[in-house]
Amino acid sequence: QKEVEQNSGPLSVPEGAIASLNCTYSDRVSQSFFWYRQYSGKSPELIMSIYSNGDKEDGRFTAQLNKASQYVSLLIRDSQPSDSATYLCAVIYNFNKFYFGSGTKLNVKP
Amino acid sequence: NAGVTQTPKFQVLKTGQSMTLQCAQDMNHNSMYWYRQDPGMGLRLIYYSASEGTTDKGEVPNGYNVSRLNKREFSLRLESAAPSQTSVYFCASSPEAGILYEQYFGPGTRLTVT
Repeated sequence: QKEVEQNSGPLSVPEGAIASLNCTYSDRVSQSFFWYRQYSGKSPELIMSIYSNGDKEDGRFTAQLNKASQYVSLLIRDSQPSDSATYLCAVIYNFNKFYFGSGTKLNVKP
Repeated sequence: NAGVTQTPKFQVLKTGQSMTLQCAQDMNHNSMYWYRQDPGMGLRLIYYSASEGTTDKGEVPNGYNVSRLNKREFSLRLESAAPSQTSVYFCASSPEAGILYEQYFGPGTRLTVT
């Protein structure tokens, strides 16, 4: 079983809609969770971090964490074509080791 | 600030050749990391350095060695390249190793081993 699981997609949403990206993880002791965006041929860039249960909002982005169910999600409101990218979920295990999911590809159609 | 820089950007090697991938950061970060990214596999940690003078294995260390030259620089060496090492390699850094600290990535090195 992979440490971090994501649906590979592609997830297609129309411009202006809400995109919902999900991630599940296997280790209950995981403490920190991150969402990265990666454009094709580019390096990952950090979007959001979340450490405690509940929602965390930053502009059009909302991260949601549910440790009991072992999932973390990312909502993108008012999706734009420029949001089209692969979104990587990352989890820290064992204090200082990052494990990344394989990513979900998002397509926002104009 | 340049952030995290990597050289070279592209490299083609023949099986059995060796090479060193260079990484440097100018953010005064203590921790540095090397990942590889293969299609459908996500990013996998090869080695990391929690602080200057220390290195430790990640998820896929076989076939690689690392050197933390100083606080700024962290190199990855392939002693005898194999086709299975064809991948995109990313270096990353974070202020500290720990649960609160996100990582910042370099632009990557695209390596092909024939």
